[in-house]
Amino acid sequence: DVKVTQSSRYLVKRTGEKVFLECVQDMDHENMFWYRQDPGLGLRLIYFSYDVKMKEKGDIPEGYSVSREKKERFSLILESASTNQTSMYLCASSPGDLTYGYTFGSGTRLTVV
Amino acid sequence: RKEVEQDPGPFNVPEGATVAFNCTYSNSASQSFFWYRQDCRKEPKLLMSVYSSGNEDGRFTAQLNRASQYISLLIRDSKLSDSATYLCVVGHINTGRRALTFGSGTRLQVQP
Repeated sequence: DVKVTQSSRYLVKRTGEKVFLECVQDMDHENMFWYRQDPGLGLRLIYFSYDVKMKEKGDIPEGYSVSREKKERFSLILESASTNQTSMYLCASSPGDLTYGYTFGSGTRLTVV
Repeated sequence: RKEVEQDPGPFNVPEGATVAFNCTYSNSASQSFFWYRQDCRKEPKLLMSVYSSGNEDGRFTAQLNRASQYISLLIRDSKLSDSATYLCVVGHINTGRRALTFGSGTRLQVQP
């Protein structure tokens, strides 16, 4: 069964910490995405990547960075965690175009205290 | 204005009912359309793609009206297990951006 795996299901971090969220897919997909989901706001795109070592800003990139050193792995980094980054973070991957939609990981619920 | 708009609901319906959700999108260049289902505290999962000719998968029917920029999902003979949030999703390939845009979702509660 093809998969997108996020390293942590639940995470609690302190304000100011550097936080790494890892995502790995085994489908050889070109595209990978990071979204956050908040009640009433839906899914909002943080960053995405079409290829190794390439990244593009989404709608809300402030306070985040990403890394894609290998095709199967896309990491989201919170440079200095803040309480307003408490959220559900969802990683997704897709083939070259958008015809088949995304496959999502199971999400990481991050709480910043 | 949001790029993808949905009625948040909740829609409370009895088992066996037929229920319809609607969604509008603002970008006329949109090229791909989907309905995703999301259970509480779980990730979204693809329910079905939406094609211009309309498509059906068992009890679920999706329709697209490009002229009105409108997508619909019809669920017939609702089951308790259909209770979830349904996300309308739209994709387009602009210069420098190839990503899906999600509506905030419509919550469905099917009651015994």
